[in-house]
Amino acid sequence: AQTVTQSQPEMSVQEAETVTLSCTYDTSESDYYLFWYKQPPSRQMILVIRQEAYKQQNATENRFSVNFQKAAKSFSLKISDSQLGDAAMYFCAYRSPHHSGGSNYKLTFGKGTLLTVNP
Amino acid sequence: ETGVTQTPRHLVMGMTNKKSLKCEQHLGHNAMYWYKQSAKKPLELMFVYSLEERVENNSVPSRFSPECPNSSHLFLHLHTLQPEDSALYLCASSQEEGSVGNTIYFGEGSWLTVV
Repeated sequence: AQTVTQSQPEMSVQEAETVTLSCTYDTSESDYYLFWYKQPPSRQMILVIRQEAYKQQNATENRFSVNFQKAAKSFSLKISDSQLGDAAMYFCAYRSPHHSGGSNYKLTFGKGTLLTVNP
Repeated sequence: ETGVTQTPRHLVMGMTNKKSLKCEQHLGHNAMYWYKQSAKKPLELMFVYSLEERVENNSVPSRFSPECPNSSHLFLHLHTLQPEDSALYLCASSQEEGSVGNTIYFGEGSWLTVV
């Protein structure tokens, strides 16, 4: 079974600075998908960024980028030019493709990192 | 505005009540999900419907009963719940095609308190 580990329960960053959130995962699969979701106080789970394991290029989405290290099974999220609206709980998640067998529909989540942005 | 809407956003019910949570997705997706988020626990997948058929039931107690009348609507019927069932219930949807592990989009959640 796949596991996702977020080793930082809480992080803080100054507004306009850069912060990196860590995520590691354990899997025996070679093909899979990784996601970062953000959950602000409203509690809606919002997709931040997605990475396909077969792609070597790191995904980017405006101020958000990832450092995907497949061999190390590491998937960190970098937030540049942090804004007050970035304050939220951030979840790393893993998903298997449908051809892999087992629970193909399931997103396996880490426990989350609570990000505080200081003005 | 979210493509997945849930009602009610907050629900307080007694242990003998029967209530339902409703979810509607406006994204044209063919799969819908119920997740449970409890304090200090990772999100737990409860049920998955694909093309209106239940494809996953992750050992959820029978006091939770899902219903998917069509690809856009998903219900979670609740009866004789326990206080430990108090949690945030998140509905989600995705477009499943072939072997691609597509992105799952979530609603804003329904806060359930069982008293």
